[in-house]
Amino acid sequence: QSVLTQPPSASGAPGQRVSISCSGRSSNIGTNSVNWYQQLPGTAPKLLIYSNNQRPSGVPDRFSGSKSGTSASLAISGLQSEDEADYYCAAWESDSLIGWVFGGGTKLTVL
Amino acid sequence: QVQLQESGPGLVKPSGTLSLTCAVSGASISSNNWWNWVRQAPGKGLEWIGEIHHSGTTTYNPSLKSRVTISVDRSKNQFSLKLTSGTAADTAVYYCARVAQLLGEYYFDYWGQGTLVTVSS
Repeated sequence: QSVLTQPPSASGAPGQRVSISCSGRSSNIGTNSVNWYQQLPGTAPKLLIYSNNQRPSGVPDRFSGSKSGTSASLAISGLQSEDEADYYCAAWESDSLIGWVFGGGTKLTVL
Repeated sequence: QVQLQESGPGLVKPSGTLSLTCAVSGASISSNNWWNWVRQAPGKGLEWIGEIHHSGTTTYNPSLKSRVTISVDRSKNQFSLKLTSGTAADTAVYYCARVAQLLGEYYFDYWGQGTLVTVSS
């Protein structure tokens, strides 16, 4: 069981907006920033959002992130077929379990 | 462009030691970043294994700490993972990745392509 909780699946039609949640606790998301990663089938994860809501160069502005308290959210607007992938949230755990913790991943299906 | 490339045996016998190396190009391993290992069991999510700074400071996942050693070789610009007492549960794709630091924020910015390690007799 992952330290950060994500829904196992999400879906939406092309052009729609979908949101993926990530729930943690005060010692991880409540204290530290959340990063999001996209993993296309058979490939390594790719940084999508860092520092809760910052997009690296090259990531479309269709992707956005937010954080409130001990939860975070990734939103994808104008859904495209190439967005079909697994999405993971991650944060640093400051409690006794010191280190990086990930969500269990959310498989996004574009209908 | 920063690139990371994992290498090592794809098959390890049960109770054996899993040894992998990550060669870094396009960046100095002596830069102020953290060098990490992350694994992903077949069909499962990501699991952080541990990290090392070029100074030698390490942090390990408590669930693996007793079996893990991460080391750095500055002369070869690479870092390595050793995981002892392997079991089938250690079968996974192993990724090396860099954690960058920017204005106090940390995140995995570059990843290797991953290498599958199977623990089996």
